Amino acid sequence: EPEVTQTPSHQVTQMGQEVILRCVPISNHLYFYWYRQILGQKVEFLVSFYNNEISEKSEIFDDQFSVERPDGSNFTLKIRSTKLEDSAMYFCASRKDRENTEAFFGQGTRLTVV
Amino acid sequence: GENVGLHLPTLSVQEGDNSIINCAYSNSASDYFIWYKQESGKGPQFIIDIRSNMDKRQGQRVTVLLNKTVKHLSLQIAATQPGDSAVYFCAERSGGSYIPTFGRGTSLIVHP
Repeated sequence: EPEVTQTPSHQVTQMGQEVILRCVPISNHLYFYWYRQILGQKVEFLVSFYNNEISEKSEIFDDQFSVERPDGSNFTLKIRSTKLEDSAMYFCASRKDRENTEAFFGQGTRLTVV
Repeated sequence: GENVGLHLPTLSVQEGDNSIINCAYSNSASDYFIWYKQESGKGPQFIIDIRSNMDKRQGQRVTVLLNKTVKHLSLQIAATQPGDSAVYFCAERSGGSYIPTFGRGTSLIVHP
């Protein structure tokens, strides 16, 4: 069964450093998402991406965040200067098309900022 | 903004029992609801959804009930199994957006 894959599974970084979280969405999906989940908290929407541009973003997704689809398979989330409060699980998700409402989530990347 | 929240943070049941997980929402414009299951170390997994023009929807061992009058959503799991142990999130969408807003989650613990 096709699945969304994310790498790395765990990333430790120093405060102020840049990190790139990588995702490979399901191959025939058109809509891509990043969410984050602070430990013990709810899953929070960050950004959605369609047709090579951001379609929606939340208040969390400030200028420190950016997304990119550098090629036909990868979808990345970059945090330019990490803060301690960026420590969380980051989930990538993809959705097939406008007619399909179900989003498929990856296993997540645990980001720890020290 | 308006919130989606859960009544019970933890629910413990015996294997074979039926489980009911509840969710309250406050956005009267919500028109689509989803239940997700999140097992330890994994991402949320879609379980079942329901549109606001329905009161009930059934899947395999799961039933979602929607009461729009009191803005309440529930997930019923029949004959709960140890593999059902997970955190369950309700989520809602409104205004044509495809972005679900997640509630905080209820941990379901199934004892063998």
